[in-house]
Amino acid sequence: NAGVMQNPRHLVRRRGQEARLRCSPMKGHSHVYWYRQLPEEGLKFMVYLQKENIIDESGMPKERFSAEFPKEGPSILRIQQVVRGDSAAYFCASSPGLISYEQYFGPGTRLTVT
Amino acid sequence: GENVEQHPSTLSVQEGDSAVIKCTYSDSASNYFPWYKQELGKRPQLIIDIRSNVGEKKDQRIAVTLNKTAKHFSLHITETQPEDSAVYFCADNTDKLIFGTGTRLQVFP
Repeated sequence: NAGVMQNPRHLVRRRGQEARLRCSPMKGHSHVYWYRQLPEEGLKFMVYLQKENIIDESGMPKERFSAEFPKEGPSILRIQQVVRGDSAAYFCASSPGLISYEQYFGPGTRLTVT
Repeated sequence: GENVEQHPSTLSVQEGDSAVIKCTYSDSASNYFPWYKQELGKRPQLIIDIRSNVGEKKDQRIAVTLNKTAKHFSLHITETQPEDSAVYFCADNTDKLIFGTGTRLQVFP
C-alpha cells in the first residue's frame, strides 16, 4: 500500500512564474489536506479538500493560490506569479475520512523561488 | 480562534533521561490530539495520538496524557535515545490539524 505521494520533490521557479504541486493520497483515502512549512517554522494549514469539493480553505492566501481535487487524478496546489516569500516546503496529507482522524503526510515539495 | 501553544521550544536531555513536551489548546470542540515527529528535511510522522474519551495512552517508550478540563495534553518519552532527536509537533484536530510551534529535542549520548 503506497503512502501519500507528492511530486515534484523539489521545484525551482523564478519570480512571476507558476508553480504546480501534485499530491496523490493513500489508497482508500478521500480527504486531502495541504500544509505549508516556512524554513525553521511549524506547519500551517492551508486547505482541506474531498473529491471535487473544497471543504475548508481558511488557511489559503486570498490571491494567487488555488487548490483542486478532481474526480480523477491527484490533488493540485497551484501558486500563480510566485514571490520569494512563497519559498517553503508544501506538505500534503491524506485521511480516510471523518470517522478516522489520522492524517498521513507525503514527503513534501520544496519550492524555491529565485 | 483555534490556537495550540507548545512548550518548551527546545529541550536537551542526556541519553536515558525522560523528556516531556506540553501543549495547550483553545478549541473546546477538539477531540483528537496527535503528535508528530519530524526529522531534518523529512515529512512529519505520526508517532502517537489520543482521543478525548481517553486520559492516557502508551506505546512502548512513548506516552500521551490528556486533561480535557484544563485543555492540556503532554508527550512523555522515557529512556531517550539519540535517534529520538527531532522536532516534535503537537496538534489538535476538528476538521483540520492545528499545529503547535514545535519542540526541538536533542538527546546527547
